[in-house]
Amino acid sequence: DIVMTQSPDSLTVSLGERATINCKSSHSVFDTSSNKNYLSWYQQKPGQPPKVLIYWASSRESGVPDRFSGSVSGTDFTLTISSLQAEDVAVYYCQQYYSTPWTFGQGTKVEI
Amino acid sequence: EQLVAYGGDLIQPGGSLTLSCAASGLLVYENYMTWVRQAPGQGLEWISIVYTNGDTYYADSVKGRFTVSRDNSKNIFYLQMNSLRTDDTAVYFCARSQEVYVGLDARGGWFGPWGQGTLVTVSS
Repeated sequence: DIVMTQSPDSLTVSLGERATINCKSSHSVFDTSSNKNYLSWYQQKPGQPPKVLIYWASSRESGVPDRFSGSVSGTDFTLTISSLQAEDVAVYYCQQYYSTPWTFGQGTKVEI
Repeated sequence: EQLVAYGGDLIQPGGSLTLSCAASGLLVYENYMTWVRQAPGQGLEWISIVYTNGDTYYADSVKGRFTVSRDNSKNIFYLQMNSLRTDDTAVYFCARSQEVYVGLDARGGWFGPWGQGTLVTVSS
């Protein structure tokens, strides 16, 4: 199984400041034939289901504010919130969909 | 596109329960449909998926106990859970998995949209 490890477990950021969440995969999730990383990011607010923010490591889902961005370096992935808003308080998860079983990181809680 | 999960309940260890996920705005047989659960205060755990061709896959934690299926005429897909254990207590979410390709092999990709979830409590 591919293990996804996020850091930090929790993060406190001031309004308007940058939030950075890291995710490392135990194995490559890059496919040479498609030239893509099979990695997505989700946001989960209390009492709600998760919502996809980013797929293919850096493609933003339709309707997601552009302050959310994803990047990759090898097997290290980053979700950045460029200017934290009050509505961004949530738990964020990375997920690989390269191989079965689909696996999630343990989550990063973002607070103001 | 909307998914509504229902059927969660309080059930005794060793019991059985079937969860349902009703879809609107999308056809379950044309999509990869998946179940993900979240134990109280914990993270997300993928547990099962059904492909458009009918292939099914399960997490080791539920293999042999859970079965995923769908009713194309009702546009609902199901999770039949048997031999329930206390560690199966969780909110169960249904979601659509976007079809992607790894090389020439089609598989489920990222998950969305998601249903609201239904709570299963396994306790005596």
